[in-house]
Amino acid sequence: DTEVTQTPKHLVMGMTNKKSLKCEQHMGHRAMYWYKQKAKKPPELMFVYSYEKLSINESVPSRFSPECPNSSLLNLHLHALQPEDSALYLCASSQEGLNTEAFFGQGTRLTVV
Amino acid sequence: DQQVKQNSPSLSVQEGRISILNCDYTNSMFDYFLWYKKYPAEGPTFLISISSIKDKNEDGRFTVFLNKSAKHLSLHIVPSQPGDSAVYFCAATPSGGYQKVTFGIGTKLQVIP
Repeated sequence: DTEVTQTPKHLVMGMTNKKSLKCEQHMGHRAMYWYKQKAKKPPELMFVYSYEKLSINESVPSRFSPECPNSSLLNLHLHALQPEDSALYLCASSQEGLNTEAFFGQGTRLTVV
Repeated sequence: DQQVKQNSPSLSVQEGRISILNCDYTNSMFDYFLWYKKYPAEGPTFLISISSIKDKNEDGRFTVFLNKSAKHLSLHIVPSQPGDSAVYFCAATPSGGYQKVTFGIGTKLQVIP
C-alpha cells in the first residue's frame, strides 16, 4: 500500500463552522505533513509531525489545529476560517531521515463561504 | 520571496522529442532537490531527486542535472510521451533538511501527439 488517503475530497464550510480534514497512510512512515496550495501557487508547508509529535509549525494561524492520534493518522481541525483560507490542502508522509521523498494524498479542496 | 523559481509556467513539446524543465534556487543551504509531477485532481507524485554531491541523476527517461555554482537544475524527459503531460514541481530542502521542502510554482508540460 503506497497510498496516502485524504477525506473528504471536497469541503464547503461557513466561517462559523468547525470541521476536520483527515489523512491516513499505512506505509510505516513516521513523518507526516500538511501543505496548503492556492491556485497558481506552490504547495506551502504548514505542519510537520515526526513520530507523532509536532516538529514544525510554519507560523500557521491558530484557527488551524493539527492532530496526530497515531502513526497512521493525521488530522487538521478547522475553526472560524476565513474565505482566504480556501485552498487545496495536501497531506503527505515520508520515511524519517534525510533526503527521502514524500508521498502525497490527492488533497481536500476547501471552500470557505 | 521565492526561493525556488520555475520561470516557465508552461511548455509544449512534440511527442518523441526532449522536454527540458528548468528550475533556479536562491538559498545556498539547499542541498537536496526533487521533482514532483502532478496530474489534475491528484496530489504531487515523486519523480526523481538529486543530492548536491552529484551533478546528474538518471532514471529511465528522466534525467536531472544540477549546476550548483549556477544554482540551477533541470529535468530532461526523453522521449516525451503524451502521458507526461502534467504540472512539474521543482522542490528543494536544506542541509540536515528536516523535510522542510520548498516548492517552485510549477511548469505545465503538454506533450502533443
